[in-house]
Amino acid sequence: DGGITQSPKYLFRKEGQNVTLSCEQNLNHDAMYWYRQDPGQGLRLIYYSQIVNDFQKGDIAEGYSVSREKKESFPLTVTSAQKNPTAFYLCASSISVDRVGYEQYFGPGTRLTVT
Amino acid sequence: GENVEQHPSTLSVQEGDSAVIKCTYSDSASNYFPWYKQELGKRPQLIIDIRSNVGEKKDQRIAVTLNKTAKHFSLHITETQPEDSAVYFCAASTGNQFYFGTGTSLTVIP
Repeated sequence: DGGITQSPKYLFRKEGQNVTLSCEQNLNHDAMYWYRQDPGQGLRLIYYSQIVNDFQKGDIAEGYSVSREKKESFPLTVTSAQKNPTAFYLCASSISVDRVGYEQYFGPGTRLTVT
Repeated sequence: GENVEQHPSTLSVQEGDSAVIKCTYSDSASNYFPWYKQELGKRPQLIIDIRSNVGEKKDQRIAVTLNKTAKHFSLHITETQPEDSAVYFCAASTGNQFYFGTGTSLTVIP
């Protein structure tokens, strides 16, 4: 299970609070991604980053923010503006967005519950 | 953008039978098609993938076929076992993003 880690595994927050989810990888991958997974739905892309200090919005970026200050780290902040934040969040990495045909490696996920 | 559709959403088979899951995609520029298996509460893990210059790929009991003209690809699992029970996701990629299907929950009945 090494290579890409997420912490914590479970996270509980009160409505109105911002919360930051951690994602770290030691695979020397350039690209990193954040997905949200809800029951009965596929993985929906929140943000992705191709290189340090650069990132792009995915399909459901509203209410989320990210940073990429280091190659190894891609933290996701769920802000109070996210209307329905309770979900399973998955971080992933891949070698490079320019090298097609290389798989994404997923972290173990963080299950966020907001009440 | 790309749109990936996956069918069926649930699938039950008897142990030893075959299972087939189908996906379609919309963007002809997609050229990499991975399949992931996700057990309950765990991370998705790659089980097989195929690139657009190949029509079929097999790895033991698992095979994937790709029809670029029709824009569809399929996962075939033969001689299913109870440990194959999981949710399976297909995906299509043009390189900078991966677009996932909504998943198929496979149950193998002993």
